[in-house]
Amino acid sequence: QVHLVQSGAELKKPGASVKVYCKASGYTFTAYYIHWVRQAPGQGLEWMGWINPNTGDTNYAQKFQGRVTMTRDTSITTAYMELSSLRSDDTAVFYCAREPGYNSGFDSWGQGTLVTVSS
Amino acid sequence: QSVVTQPPSASGTPGQRVAISCSGSTSHFAFNNVNWYQQFPGTAPKLLIYSNNQRHSGVPDRFSGSKSGTSASLAISGLQSEDEADYYCAAWDDSLNAWVFGGGTKLTVL
Repeated sequence: QVHLVQSGAELKKPGASVKVYCKASGYTFTAYYIHWVRQAPGQGLEWMGWINPNTGDTNYAQKFQGRVTMTRDTSITTAYMELSSLRSDDTAVFYCAREPGYNSGFDSWGQGTLVTVSS
Repeated sequence: QSVVTQPPSASGTPGQRVAISCSGSTSHFAFNNVNWYQQFPGTAPKLLIYSNNQRHSGVPDRFSGSKSGTSASLAISGLQSEDEADYYCAAWDDSLNAWVFGGGTKLTVL
């Protein structure tokens, strides 16, 4: 059974960075892309980018380029998303999600990690 | 800039059929598949429909998807109270090299 388990809630000050992890289990970690999606309070879903866990290749949404870094550690089947230069409007729930293949959608999601940015 | 548009709200009574639309602003939407997600308050989204009209494993056949040109639609037949949730469509935009989500539709079962 596929599971994506994310790190716990974070409280950060403006200007700081946050690193969220997504621990995968129940499938071959390197076989499927991991995506990160953001949801601000009361708002919709916003795609941030993906990482290919096999190669480490990444593709970031233009909005986040320069501020986001996605990495992975295959030895512990974990993906990471680091967002820097945090602002108050970065307050959101961040989700990781698995894409099993082309045109397959995001079929499994982590439980979400709330990041609050406040002074 | 690619925009994917959904109505902010939809409603129906139990047993009814409701449809939620999703339209893309660029030709890229016409050439790419659309996926649909369901989200209950305080929980992660769940995949409902992928590749325009394929139901994800375990999704009841009351849910169906379709797409024509730059418009897609999620239909829910035999509406149930448990279907009350937010629904999002998403499509890949080749020009942005990015997934684009619609703004979401809040479905209310009256």
